[in-house]
Amino acid sequence: AQSVSQHNHHVILSEAASLELGCNYSYGGTVNLFWYVQYPGQHLQLLLKYFSGDPLVKGIKGFEAEFIKSKFSFNLRKPSVQWSDTAEYFCAVNAEGGRRALTFGSGTRLQVQP
Amino acid sequence: GAVVSQHPSWVICKSGTSVKIECRSLDFQATTMFWYRQFPKQSLMLMATSNEGSKATYEQGVEKDKFLINHASLTLSTLTVTSAHPEDSSFYICSAPQGAQRQPQHFGDGTRLSIL
Repeated sequence: AQSVSQHNHHVILSEAASLELGCNYSYGGTVNLFWYVQYPGQHLQLLLKYFSGDPLVKGIKGFEAEFIKSKFSFNLRKPSVQWSDTAEYFCAVNAEGGRRALTFGSGTRLQVQP
Repeated sequence: GAVVSQHPSWVICKSGTSVKIECRSLDFQATTMFWYRQFPKQSLMLMATSNEGSKATYEQGVEKDKFLINHASLTLSTLTVTSAHPEDSSFYICSAPQGAQRQPQHFGDGTRLSIL
């Protein structure tokens, strides 16, 4: 079974600061990796995903993530955050070729101060 | 716009009541849907996989008689929390994968269940 660890539980940044949220996973096989965002009162939305190919993936709203296989990591980055990025961020995985249910990390609450 | 509709969004009821939560896929068919539970400040935990036309698959530790799942059509799955108690209070979220393996999953808005 897979497991996902997000190290930052609560991050507070000022607008224009750079963001990096950590995500590490544990699984012996090939995984698909995802970052979801949940804005207050809204449903989970997909920010970006990695299945194969270029380990640097770009998502919506200026977010990107890099898959480093040797470190089992898939950290989320954004060069300059905005107040509207305030939300909960979840890293998730599922096994390639396996069932599509996701294993989520515990989430990181990002608070961007104007 | 939302492609998965979850209803109701918030339920408050007395202990011993049974509560039904609906999850509908809009504009696409979903032979499989997933039900997750999220405790405050914790991650989403998969409870069960809902399979259209067959029995749901429950994760270890989830009581199938407590959390009844029915997936009667290609667009609707229901989760019924039977004889709910305060410890069942939580945030329940459904998701439905659309299309082939690498196509996105769509999440409902979630249902906040509060048992008094």
